[in-house]
Amino acid sequence: GQNIDQPTEMTATEGAIVQINCTYQTSGFNGLFWYQQHAGEAPTFLSYNVLDGLEEKGRFSSFLSRSKGYSYLLLKELQMKDSASYLCAVPDSNYQLIWGAGTKLIIKP
Amino acid sequence: ETGVTQTPRHLVMGMTNKKSLKCEQHLGHNAMYWYKQSAKKPLELMFVYSLEERVENNSVPSRFSPECPNSSHLFLHLHTLQPEDSALYLCASSQDVSGGVDTQYFGPGTRLTVL
Repeated sequence: GQNIDQPTEMTATEGAIVQINCTYQTSGFNGLFWYQQHAGEAPTFLSYNVLDGLEEKGRFSSFLSRSKGYSYLLLKELQMKDSASYLCAVPDSNYQLIWGAGTKLIIKP
Repeated sequence: ETGVTQTPRHLVMGMTNKKSLKCEQHLGHNAMYWYKQSAKKPLELMFVYSLEERVENNSVPSRFSPECPNSSHLFLHLHTLQPEDSALYLCASSQDVSGGVDTQYFGPGTRLTVL
C-alpha cells in the first residue's frame, strides 16, 4: 500500500530555521509535492521534487532522497506569516495525489 | 476573477436538506477535483473529472453527487447528509489528469456543517 507520514505539529521561533520531514511508501515514484495551507484557506503549491537533492526557492527549500523514501521542507528566517499547515503529497500509479495529514507549524515571537 | 473560486464559503444544513457546492476555475485547465478535508486527517479525494468526464470515484456515498457541465465548472450536489459529513470541501484543477503529474491548484473551500 501507500503511506505518508509527517509530524502533526511543530513549534519554532521567529527568525529561526525549521525542517519539516515527510516519509513515504509508494509502489512507484512520480515525484513529491509540498503545499502550504493557512487556516481556512486554500492549499497553495510550494514545490515539486522528482530528483534527489535540494531545491531552493528563496526562504523555502525542499529536499528529496528517493532511496530513503524521505523528503523535508526547510524554512529559513521564519516569519509569523509562515504559521500554517504544510502538506506532503505523492502521486499514485494513476497520478492521483496521496496526501499526508499535514504538519501544523506554530511560529512564536 | 482568477484561479479557482468556490461558493458558498460556509454552509450549514440539516440532514434532510438538499444543497449544492459550486466550483469555477479560470485557469484553462482540463481536470477538476473534489476533496474532503477533515480535521487532522489527510485530504480525501472524492471525484476527478477530465474534460467533463468522470475518471475516478473513490467509493463516495451516493448522498454526494458530482456534476461537471463543462471544463470550467464543477458542482457537488448534497442530499440527506450525516453529521460526520461536516468538513471542508475543496475543489482543485490541473492542466490534465492523465499521462503524467500536474500541479493542482485549489479553491478556498466550502466549510460545511451538517446539523
